[in-house]
Amino acid sequence: QQQVKQSPQSLIVQKGGIPIINCAYENTAFDYFPWYQQFPGKGPALLIAIRPDVSEKKEGRFTISFNKSAKQFSLHIMDSQPGDSATYFCAATPRSGTYKYIFGTGTRLKVLA
Amino acid sequence: KAGVTQTPRYLIKTRGQQVTLSCSPISGHRSVSWYQQTPGQGLQFLFEYFSETQRNKGNFPGRFSGRQFSNSRSEMNVSTLELGDSALYLCASSLLPEGVSPLHFGNGTRLTVT
Repeated sequence: QQQVKQSPQSLIVQKGGIPIINCAYENTAFDYFPWYQQFPGKGPALLIAIRPDVSEKKEGRFTISFNKSAKQFSLHIMDSQPGDSATYFCAATPRSGTYKYIFGTGTRLKVLA
Repeated sequence: KAGVTQTPRYLIKTRGQQVTLSCSPISGHRSVSWYQQTPGQGLQFLFEYFSETQRNKGNFPGRFSGRQFSNSRSEMNVSTLELGDSALYLCASSLLPEGVSPLHFGNGTRLTVT
C-alpha cells in the first residue's frame, strides 16, 4: 500500500513530441504528489507538484493530470526539447506528518534532436 | 543561498568497513531526510530528522543510522558494509516542520563497496 508504481521505465521521443509518464498509488492518505527531474550527476530537483483538490496543473511546458478516483497521476511535457532528457520521478506523501516521500522507480526520458 | 551540500561526493570502501556521510542543509531548513538511490529501485527513504530528533525511519537494517546536530547538519553512518550497500545516498532538506514543503536534494554521495 506504500508503493507508487511508475511507467514506463524508459521513453524516447522526437523533439517537439509530448512524452507522458504515469504513476499510480494505493494509499488514500497520500495527498501531495510532486514530480522530480534528475540529470546525471545531480540530485533530483522539484519540477511541479499537485494536490488532489485539482485535476490539472500547468507550469510552463509541464502539466500534471490527476485522477483521484483512479488514484493515478501523470506528467506531460509539451513541445519536448533535448534538454528535457533526464530521469523523472513521481512521488507521494501525506500532507501532514513527517517528510517520508514514497518515490516511483523513475522514467529515463530521451528527447532526440 | 547555498543549496544542500553533501560530502564526500565519492567513496570507495571495502566490505565490512563502516562509513559516515555528511549533509549540510539549506540555511534555515531544519528537516533533513536521507534516501538511498539504486538503479531499478528508485529512491528509498532511510530516515528523517527534525530538531535533532529522528521522526521517521524507513525499512533498512539497523546498520544504517543517522543523527542531526543542533545546527541542522546531519550525518548518516553505515556499519559492516555489504556489497548491496553500493548506491547513491541523497540528502534532502525542507523548510517547514510538517505539512508539505518541497524537498531540496543535494547531489549525493556515491558509495561503492568492493
